Amino acid sequence: AQSVTQPDIHITVSEGASLELRCNYSYGATPYLFWYVQSPGQGLQLLLKYFSGDTLVQGIKGFEAEFKRSQSSFNLRKPSVHWSDAAEYFCAVGDGDYKLSFGAGTTVTVRA
Amino acid sequence: DTAVSQTPKYLVTQMGNDKSIKCEQNLGHDTMYWYKQDSKKFLKIMFSYNNKELIINETVPNRFSPKSPDKAHLNLHINSLELGDSAVYFCASSLDRGRYEKLFFGSGTQLSVL
Repeated sequence: AQSVTQPDIHITVSEGASLELRCNYSYGATPYLFWYVQSPGQGLQLLLKYFSGDTLVQGIKGFEAEFKRSQSSFNLRKPSVHWSDAAEYFCAVGDGDYKLSFGAGTTVTVRA
Repeated sequence: DTAVSQTPKYLVTQMGNDKSIKCEQNLGHDTMYWYKQDSKKFLKIMFSYNNKELIINETVPNRFSPKSPDKAHLNLHINSLELGDSAVYFCASSLDRGRYEKLFFGSGTQLSVL
């Protein structure tokens, strides 16, 4: 069965600094990978997704993620965070039956 | 103008009661979902409907019954509420089930069972 691990429960970063969120997946076949963001009191919003092709994926809000098959990872990055990036970030993997399995999330706090 | 709207936003009730959460999407999508997010923010799918047909039914107690009167609506009825049902319930929709389409989420219903 597929699974997703987000090793960092909480990350604090200064405004303007770079951000990297880790995601490791376990899946036998070619994975379908996603990053979603949840702002306080809101539902989840898709940041980006990887199905195939270029392993560096660009998303909305200046985010990008890199798929590394050898490391079973799909880490999310942003070069310079803004205070509005404070949120909960979820990595997810598709299971081949059109269901998503989500990680436990990483809370990002941005300090001024 | 909200794409996926669910009501109520907050629901506080006693153990043993029966309650419903309603969800509507105005995106013209064929597929709708219910997800449960527990206190540790772990998000897990409960049900999915495609064009009013149940296509995903995870291991969920029988006390939970989804109903889709049409493809724009997916309601969740919960009988005999228990303390462990306290969570945030998210409705979502996607264009169809044939691909990993982008999910559009509602803003959630926070259910507190006392």
